[in-house]
Amino acid sequence: DAGVTQSPTHLIKTRGQQVTLRCSPISGHKSVSWYQQVLGQGPQFIFQYYEKEERGRGNFPDRFSARQFPNYSSELNVNALLLGDSALYLCASSLMGREVGETQYFGPGTRLLVL
Amino acid sequence: AQSVTQLDSQVPVFEEAPVELRCNYSSSVSVYLFWYVQYPNQGLQLLLKYLSGSTLVKGINGFEAEFNKSQTSFHLRKPSVHISDTAEYFCAVSGPPSNNLFFGTGTRLTVIP
Repeated sequence: DAGVTQSPTHLIKTRGQQVTLRCSPISGHKSVSWYQQVLGQGPQFIFQYYEKEERGRGNFPDRFSARQFPNYSSELNVNALLLGDSALYLCASSLMGREVGETQYFGPGTRLLVL
Repeated sequence: AQSVTQLDSQVPVFEEAPVELRCNYSSSVSVYLFWYVQYPNQGLQLLLKYLSGSTLVKGINGFEAEFNKSQTSFHLRKPSVHISDTAEYFCAVSGPPSNNLFFGTGTRLTVIP
């Protein structure tokens, strides 16, 4: 079975631009979470979606938004890019996303560089 | 609120030697603890997790961790490391009401031949 897939793998943007990152969860998983991993740091939680509804949001500005589609895939959008948005963006899927301790399975990430 | 502290940013160790990667957590509610490994240019892979029950948890690739509530620790150990264990290791915690993860800053394990 395919794991979590993300596209694109790498992306270069300039300040002020907008970017859309995509994620497909493991088949049967209904919850998707997004994390930002800045170089040298641990991943930081951005969003969680379940059944197309936002179930959690981390401490990120409104420039960050996301959505989940009927097939449970998800997009993360970042507007008005800043240099500090350069990071590895990780998507994780889980079965339901509301069972504490439920394992999250991570994709390989999208590496975003903002110039 | 939950948080995790990984005390060592880098740990060099010789091949076939034992290793311990340290993790301390802080939480006001019941916690669930995880160790993930990240190989270069890859995503995160779950090594092991503690939810309840036995405080000694065994994971993949010969790793194990011990949950110590009194010391609020969840240290990761391996009795004999291999070159292939060279990677970044992250300790993470989650708690009610969701399974969102809060990660530490990571420990880079370098196995020296």
